[in-house]
Amino acid sequence: EIVLTQSPGTLSLSPGERATLSCRASQSVSSNYLAWYQQNPGQAPRLLIYVASSRATGIPDRFSGSGSGTEFTLTISRLEPEDFAVYYCQQYGSSPLTFGGGTKVEIK
Amino acid sequence: EVQLLESGGGLVQPGGSLRLSCAASGFTFTSYGMSWVRQAPGKGLEWVSGISDSGDSTYCAESVKGRFTISRDNSKNTLYLEMNSLRAEDTAVYYCAKGQSSSGRQQRFDCWGQGTLVTVSS
Repeated sequence: EIVLTQSPGTLSLSPGERATLSCRASQSVSSNYLAWYQQNPGQAPRLLIYVASSRATGIPDRFSGSGSGTEFTLTISRLEPEDFAVYYCQQYGSSPLTFGGGTKVEIK
Repeated sequence: EVQLLESGGGLVQPGGSLRLSCAASGFTFTSYGMSWVRQAPGKGLEWVSGISDSGDSTYCAESVKGRFTISRDNSKNTLYLEMNSLRAEDTAVYYCAKGQSSSGRQQRFDCWGQGTLVTVSS
């Protein structure tokens, strides 16, 4: 099983700032099948990024993904008020599918 | 508009059973793999089980193997999760999630239901 470790656990930033979230895999993610999701309190997750760097339909271009192998990054270029949420990475290249523990982006 | 509507959650005693349903609409259900993903209170996401578009292939996490069974009825556009021998650690919100391909295994999820809460307690 591939273990995904997200860091930091919490990121305290102000609106307009840049957010950089990390996701590290315990072994190489096949075909860079790595996705990122956003989850707001009481809501279901929303797909942001797939195949490490492709934006899902309707996702603003301030969200970008990068990385390969075992190291992946989600960057939010300028935080909007609606971006303060919890973010999860997920690998879907190997079974079982696994998620990281999440990074909470909170208002400083 | 793609919609997934879960039902069937509730309070059940340890050792009991429950069947969750997920009614899908707004897309060609028969073309996509589906999964159940759960989230314990205050915790992260955990993939539970997946099924291919035809229903011929199913997969599940070790934590639920032998206790949970995923299935689908393509004539009713409905996904199911049969849960037996429930434990306190199965307490969670259970989400139905649509894959972006026909696979039941290599799935990323582009649409999620609102979730249904399962509480296992005496």
